[in-house]
Amino acid sequence: GENVEQHPSTLSVQEGDSAVIKCTYSDSASNYFPWYKQELGKGSQLIIDIRSNVGEKKDQRIAVTLNKTAKHFSLHITETQPEDSAVYFCAASIVRNEKLTFGTGTRLTIIP
Amino acid sequence: DTGVSQDPRHKITKRGQNVTFRCDPISEHNRLYWYRQTLGQGPEFLTYFQNEAQLEKSRLLSDRFSAERPKGSFSTLEIQRTEQGDSAMYLCASSPISSTGGTGELFFGEGSRLTVL
Repeated sequence: GENVEQHPSTLSVQEGDSAVIKCTYSDSASNYFPWYKQELGKGSQLIIDIRSNVGEKKDQRIAVTLNKTAKHFSLHITETQPEDSAVYFCAASIVRNEKLTFGTGTRLTIIP
Repeated sequence: DTGVSQDPRHKITKRGQNVTFRCDPISEHNRLYWYRQTLGQGPEFLTYFQNEAQLEKSRLLSDRFSAERPKGSFSTLEIQRTEQGDSAMYLCASSPISSTGGTGELFFGEGSRLTVL
């Protein structure tokens, strides 16, 4: 089955700096790679996703890159703000949103 | 509609007891998913429904676990004869079917935390 590894497990950055979280996956059949933000007391929220036919996708301060050959994808957050502090999870699936395999999470702390 | 709601939010039980969790998805969402998340780990897929039909179950879902979605709306997840290893956050998510026939965006509830003593 699919295995998704995520690094780092914790990340602290100064407000305004950029944050990068990396994930690797094992199943070459995976085609869909979403990123979720998990905040205390809230349901996990999709922040951005990418499909395997695209190498990069950007939405304002958030971007995701995918290297299908190397089987890794990354989340980039620029101009970080205190409200970006949360736990971020990467995930992968063969069919979009069906049986997602999640990484172990990255706790991002933005230092004011 | 305020999103996916789960009940109870926290359940403490003794080993060997049965527990049941309820999930109310977003209205008109055809698909409903159950995931389990333990401390320091990401969510793990358990099972999912399309309307009232249970389409797939993970090997993680032992015979002590049963999930239902009797009328294609709310769902229940029951754990019989709980064990300490069942302690986890049980997450429910729902999604519409997309215009292409696949699964649309997942919307997660806040989860039901189970502590087995």
